[in-house]
Amino acid sequence: DAKTTQPPSMDCAEGRAANLPCNHSTISGNEYVYWYRQIHSQGPQYIIHGLKNNETNEMASLIITEDRKSSTLILPHATLRDTAVYYCIVRVASAGGTSYGKLTFGQGTILTVHP
Amino acid sequence: KAGVTQTPRYLIKTRGQQVTLSCSPISGHRSVSWYQQTPGQGLQFLFEYFSETQRNKGNFPGRFSGRQFSNSRSEMNVSTLELGDSALYLCASSLFNPGQGTFFGQGTRLTVV
Repeated sequence: DAKTTQPPSMDCAEGRAANLPCNHSTISGNEYVYWYRQIHSQGPQYIIHGLKNNETNEMASLIITEDRKSSTLILPHATLRDTAVYYCIVRVASAGGTSYGKLTFGQGTILTVHP
Repeated sequence: KAGVTQTPRYLIKTRGQQVTLSCSPISGHRSVSWYQQTPGQGLQFLFEYFSETQRNKGNFPGRFSGRQFSNSRSEMNVSTLELGDSALYLCASSLFNPGQGTFFGQGTRLTVV
């Protein structure tokens, strides 16, 4: 699985958009980009994933650059409860017996939302 | 729909003992994977099971083992516990489809004394 690079920490004011970048310059054409977050001592929470198109769900938006070498997770209106460690992960999408369960976590970005 | 359920939530064991942790995946999910999280090493993949077969294994000693039952429920076992095995053990389930997410339980906090 390709490696990802994220800033170690970011701050955001409550109510403002939080834009979390991720670099995955060695991503392959068959790899998805996944985002998870982990609030202290809880299990990681799935947020969103995408292959090459931008994606949006009730939690966030995922913007993937055209060359797929980087992406940005956008939390449109951050709240204090969004304070967490955010992980960007790329995972192979090939078929035929590949292990899909394995997620390789880096150190992530600690997002702190301030009042 | 119920999420991934792990039992017990907390556990205290003595060095040298063994422990078994249990995981019930989301209904319909047939892939179950296990992770260990420690402050020093972060989240590390232990192993993955699908259709009662181990599909992938992380870089952990043989003291760590697992299995999956026909109903997709999974257990992991750690034998001859060491102090360094103190960690949050997380179970995750998925549809074994790369186009879907993988969903985690709340974990079992194991403390070895």
